[in-house]
Amino acid sequence: GIQVEQSPPDLILQEGANSTLRCNFSDSVNNLQWFHQNPWGQLINLFYIPSGTKQNGRLSATTVATERYSLLYISSSQTTDSGVYFCAVKSGAGSYQLTFGKGTKLSVIP
Amino acid sequence: EAGVTQSPTHLIKTRGQQATLRCSPISGHTSVYWYQQALGLGLQFLLWYDEGEERNRGNFPPRFSGRQFPNYSSELNVNALELEDSALYLCASSLRVVKNIQYFGAGTRLSVL
Repeated sequence: GIQVEQSPPDLILQEGANSTLRCNFSDSVNNLQWFHQNPWGQLINLFYIPSGTKQNGRLSATTVATERYSLLYISSSQTTDSGVYFCAVKSGAGSYQLTFGKGTKLSVIP
Repeated sequence: EAGVTQSPTHLIKTRGQQATLRCSPISGHTSVYWYQQALGLGLQFLLWYDEGEERNRGNFPPRFSGRQFPNYSSELNVNALELEDSALYLCASSLRVVKNIQYFGAGTRLSVL
């Protein structure tokens, strides 16, 4: 099956700093989603981005499908950005479930 | 519009018992997915239901089962509970289209003692 690798596994930032999280995947995808898992465990949808670039406030994401990677940018980080960020992909037409990376744990300190 | 809802929030069972977890999808969504997030193992796909049928299952033993009801809500049943079944169980829903977006509930935290 498809493999998803996220880097870095852990990231500590000072409040106000910018960061880039990376997601590499091993096969072509027709669905790529970025999630933020809050301290209570809920997965919050950030982006649906199988290709191209999107922006939402301080967050933006870019997926280069031909090179099999996606980047999540967080600018002017805030303590509320802390948590685990997951990349999840779906490949092929027959299977609809997502395959998740292991996540990047982000800690933003004041 | 209500999101994906899961119940109960927490569930405590002892080894050997059965657990039942419930999920209500977003209105209009026909697909329901179950994922397990165990400590150190990441998020793993368990089951996918659509239109009342099991469409796919992950690499889990048969004691993990479930069903989807005519209103598209779903139950996950875990029989003969083992200590390693302790995990956060997340339910997601989506439309059944190739480019689907999955939305997740808040999860049920199952503790097996």
